[in-house]
Amino acid sequence: NAGVTQTPKFQVLKTGQSMTLQCAQDMNHNSMYWYRQDPGMGLRLIYYSASEGTTDKGEVPNGYNVSRLNKREFSLRLESAAPSQTSVYFCASSEISSAFFGQGTRLTVV
Amino acid sequence: GEDVEQSLFLSVREGDSSVINCTYTDSSSTYLYWYKQEPGAGLQLLTYIFSNMDMKQDQRLTVLLNKKDKHLSLRIADTQTGDSAIYFCAVHNAGKSTFGDGTTLTVKP
Repeated sequence: NAGVTQTPKFQVLKTGQSMTLQCAQDMNHNSMYWYRQDPGMGLRLIYYSASEGTTDKGEVPNGYNVSRLNKREFSLRLESAAPSQTSVYFCASSEISSAFFGQGTRLTVV
Repeated sequence: GEDVEQSLFLSVREGDSSVINCTYTDSSSTYLYWYKQEPGAGLQLLTYIFSNMDMKQDQRLTVLLNKKDKHLSLRIADTQTGDSAIYFCAVHNAGKSTFGDGTTLTVKP
């Protein structure tokens, strides 16, 4: 089935640990995005990639890095997790008239 | 940067129409979107409108765009209990979308 696949679905980290969230899409979209969603808030853009080989900062990039490995895959890395990074993370891919979101990764940093 | 505002809550009775409103600040936005999020799920794109249009209808959904007032609305006709969810407005410009905080729609039987 076409869509965006994110892994893992849940993760608990200790402060200072690192991890990478994986995202893959099979719709041949050029644009991919990482968002975080906090309670009662909309989505805030962390990083985006308009095409393979390019990445740009969004609204809240501090504490994160990304890699657009190829057209399908866009990963998000937390080098040294902090409690403020506890959130639900969504990956998305889109073209103008279609957008697909992954199911989300619920990350807790203790 | 872009600012997108939505009212937080809307409650309607089953069978009534729902109207969810959104205002934004950047007049150079190219596309405007409505998404639906059900509990524990990602966002689902419902519909979109180009900035050079003022209305788009798609089955029970009607999107109205007033560019002069920078106001976007989503009307859901014959609202059903399955329409209960959070609805997000998003405004797209320069390769990325800015989202409102979402409107929680509750449909009462």
